[in-house]
Amino acid sequence: GENVEQHPSTLSVQEGDSAVIKCTYSDSASNYFPWYKQELGKGPQLIIDIRSNVGEKKDQRIAVTLNKTAKHFSLHITETQPEDSAVYFCAARPLKYNDYKLSFGAGTTVTVRA
Amino acid sequence: DAGVTQSPTHLIKTRGQHVTLRCSPISGHKSVSWYQQVLGQGPQFIFQYYEKEERGRGNFPDRFSARQFPNYSSELNVNALLLGDSALYLCASSSWGATDTQYFGPGTRLTVL
Repeated sequence: GENVEQHPSTLSVQEGDSAVIKCTYSDSASNYFPWYKQELGKGPQLIIDIRSNVGEKKDQRIAVTLNKTAKHFSLHITETQPEDSAVYFCAARPLKYNDYKLSFGAGTTVTVRA
Repeated sequence: DAGVTQSPTHLIKTRGQHVTLRCSPISGHKSVSWYQQVLGQGPQFIFQYYEKEERGRGNFPDRFSARQFPNYSSELNVNALLLGDSALYLCASSSWGATDTQYFGPGTRLTVL
């Protein structure tokens, strides 16, 4: 099955700086890579996703890059703000009929210092 | 539009008991998935249902079961609870297909004493 590794496990940044989280995956059949943000006491919220036919996607201060050859993808948050403090999870899913489960990384706790 | 709803929000059980967790998907979504999230870890896939049929199962024991109703809501049942079943149980709603996006509910926090 798919194995997703996520680094770092914790990340502390000064407000206004950038934050980068990196993930690797094992299953070359994976073609969909979402990122979720989870705040304390809440369920994961989708913040951005990318599919294998795209190398980069950007949405305001958030961007994701994908390198299928190396099997890794990254989340970039620019101009960080205190409300960006949360746990971030990467995930991967293969393009297989009847197999649409997401495999998650272990998460990155991001703290933005004011 | 309402998002994914789950009930109850919190639950405390003792070892050996059973529990039923409920989920209502986003209106128009026909697929529901269940995940277990142990404290400090990412969610782990338990089940996926589409049109009342099980379409996927993760590496969980037979004590875990689920079903989906004609209105697309779903129940997750866990029998013979163990201490290790303490976790946040998440329900995700999606349309069906390889390109669908999964939207998560707030979860049910289960504590087994």
